[in-house]
Amino acid sequence: NAGVTQTPKFQVLKTGQSMTLQCAQDMNHEYMSWYRQDPGMGLRLIHYSVGAGITDQGEVPNGYNVSRSTTEDFPLRLLSAAPSQTSVYFCASSPRISTSGGFSDTQYFGPGTRLTVL
Amino acid sequence: ELKVEQNPLFLSMQEGKNYTIYCNYSTTSDRLYWYRQDPGKSLESLFVLLSNGAVKQEGRLMASLDTKARLSTLHITAAVHDLSATYFCAVEVMNRDDKIIFGKGTRLHILP
Repeated sequence: NAGVTQTPKFQVLKTGQSMTLQCAQDMNHEYMSWYRQDPGMGLRLIHYSVGAGITDQGEVPNGYNVSRSTTEDFPLRLLSAAPSQTSVYFCASSPRISTSGGFSDTQYFGPGTRLTVL
Repeated sequence: ELKVEQNPLFLSMQEGKNYTIYCNYSTTSDRLYWYRQDPGKSLESLFVLLSNGAVKQEGRLMASLDTKARLSTLHITAAVHDLSATYFCAVEVMNRDDKIIFGKGTRLHILP
C-alpha cells in the first residue's frame, strides 16, 4: 500500500491564482481530512469528509473548497490564492468505525505539500 | 468550540531526565491521540487513547488520559537525543461532529 499520497510536494503561486492540491489513499478509509500547519499554530483543520459525497467545514475553511467523489480521492482547491495561504498542507485518512461517530484508530498523514503564495 | 492546549510549547532537557507534556482540552471527549513530527517531516502516530484511565506505553514514552479532568499527559522517561521532535496531541470533538482538533505542539529538544 502507498498509504496517503499528496501532490505536488512544493508549489509557488502568485496572488489570485487557483490550484488544486491532490490527496489520495489506497487503504479504503472512509474519513479524510485536510490540515494546514503554520509556525506556532499547530495543525488547523480546513475541511473533512466522512465518506464519498459528504464533506464538512473545519476550523479554517475560508478560501478553500473540497469534494469527495470517490473514497480514494479528496482534492483541496484554492479558489484565489492569497499570501495568508502560504503554509504546509497535510492530508490524512482514517478508518471510521461507527456511524454514531467516534474513531478507534489514528489518522494516517500524507507527506505534505509546501505552498508559497507570492 | 473545542480548545486544545499543550504545555509547555517548548522544552529543552538533558538526556537521562524525566519530564511530562500536558494536553488540556475544553469540552467532553474520550478520544485523544498523540503524534510525533520530526523537522520537515509528516506526522507519525504514537498513541490512541480511547477511554478514561487509558494508559499506553512505548519505549520511553507513556501516555495517559483523564477524561474527567480533560487532561492527557505524555511522560518521557530517561530522555535520549532521538526523542527530540515536536509532539502533538489531538482531540476528537464528540456529538457526531467528527472533527479532530490539534494542539499547537510541544517542541522537545534533548541535549546530549
